Amino acid sequence: GAGVSQSPSNKVTEKGKDVELRCDPISGHTALYWYRQSLGQGLEFLIYFQGNSAPDKSGLPSDRFSAERTGGSVSTLTIQRTQQEDSAVYLCASSLGAINTEAFFGQGTRLTVV
Amino acid sequence: KQEVTQIPAALSVPEGENLVLNCSFTDSAIYNLQWFRQDPGKGLTSLLLIQSSQREQTSGRLNASLDKSSGRSTLYIAASQPGDSATYLCAVKRGGSNYKLTFGKGTLLTVNP
Repeated sequence: GAGVSQSPSNKVTEKGKDVELRCDPISGHTALYWYRQSLGQGLEFLIYFQGNSAPDKSGLPSDRFSAERTGGSVSTLTIQRTQQEDSAVYLCASSLGAINTEAFFGQGTRLTVV
Repeated sequence: KQEVTQIPAALSVPEGENLVLNCSFTDSAIYNLQWFRQDPGKGLTSLLLIQSSQREQTSGRLNASLDKSSGRSTLYIAASQPGDSATYLCAVKRGGSNYKLTFGKGTLLTVNP
């Protein structure tokens, strides 16, 4: 596609429900990143994929968070038993390779837990 | 642990002025540094990518410099316009197992007509 696509753009969920956030990277990009941006805070790294593998999952804030990537393309970030502190904008980025290439971000998913 | 600091946190200038945004990082062992802009309620738009071996990159009215040894980068915006109003973020990429970008908290730029 022309850019990184994220869906949904907005999600309101009740506390305790599970949510899935989707990221479609730019075609051919092997590296994919998830970040979280809370109100007034900086960008917090969550997880990185190279292909379908996630070498380091230590950025995930708790075991309620998980992510997968299939076919070296689409990625899904799942949050189980959502809490109000999970409310944030979740941003996905992709790049052609892992090291010396430009990262491109999607428009984000704004998650509100009520 | 890599830490990225951006100064100032906010900047307000009149239209037409040239300005400089600053970014500093604590660990000079980086692969590259990238500047982004973020408009309210939007994602990040890439502006410039500087590899660790480069000193500067230019795109239109934007010029970014990198001094890796001192852990500093600047983003120079010439002849600022109201449309330049946004939050500007710098991020550095360091090696390891995840090649993550570490971001500063940004500079909120307002260009007044």
